[in-house]
Amino acid sequence: QVQLVQSGAEVKKPGASVKVSCKASGYTFTRYYMHWVRQAPGQGLEWMGIINPSGGGTDYPQKFQGRVTMTRDTSTSTVYMELSSLRSDDTAVYYCARGGDIAVVPADGRYYYHAMDVWGQGTTVTVSS
Amino acid sequence: DIQMTQSPSSLSASVGDRVTITCRTSQSINNYLHWYQQKPGKPPNLLIYTASSLQSGVPSRFSGSGSGTDFTLTISSLQPEDFATYFCQQTFRLPLTFGPGTTVDIK
Repeated sequence: QVQLVQSGAEVKKPGASVKVSCKASGYTFTRYYMHWVRQAPGQGLEWMGIINPSGGGTDYPQKFQGRVTMTRDTSTSTVYMELSSLRSDDTAVYYCARGGDIAVVPADGRYYYHAMDVWGQGTTVTVSS
Repeated sequence: DIQMTQSPSSLSASVGDRVTITCRTSQSINNYLHWYQQKPGKPPNLLIYTASSLQSGVPSRFSGSGSGTDFTLTISSLQPEDFATYFCQQTFRLPLTFGPGTTVDIK
């Protein structure tokens, strides 16, 4: 079955970096976009960016530009999300979520239009001194 | 950024009730609107995509409608497993954004 399995919980000090992994199985890894979404305790969902596992291209919201890096390893079907210069308000559960088929290119160019149909179990990142 | 609002922010309902949740966006997004259900300690689960299409495996008591800026999620007959938080999401324009959520609890 289609599955995304994320790495375990992390505790980091302010100013450090964290790298979370998301291993895909049950489908062709390089065929679907991957998103990262986070959720602070008791809060809503916040989109952190998207990666094309085939070509490695990424798109990040302005809020995270310069602080987030998404990469992939096609040999292990794994995507990574690294967040640097951690602050206490980065404490959250971080999710990877599968996006749309890379080969399906809408006429309006909105390659990110597809809903997130499979989610990882989440990785808790705690930032505390 | 496209702003999302949901109403109500929470509601109390009984098993068997018909429940309606509304999502509004700050600009027209055609039908690039999706609905997710989330239970405590679990990741979100896709219910409805592109405003009205039922995700595979999701019970038919869930339905979605709307276009432009106003969207609705309806649960026709609330079941015990439906007590959860529901989020809408737009994928019309980057950055992708989510609504603040609607929590459905037991009356």
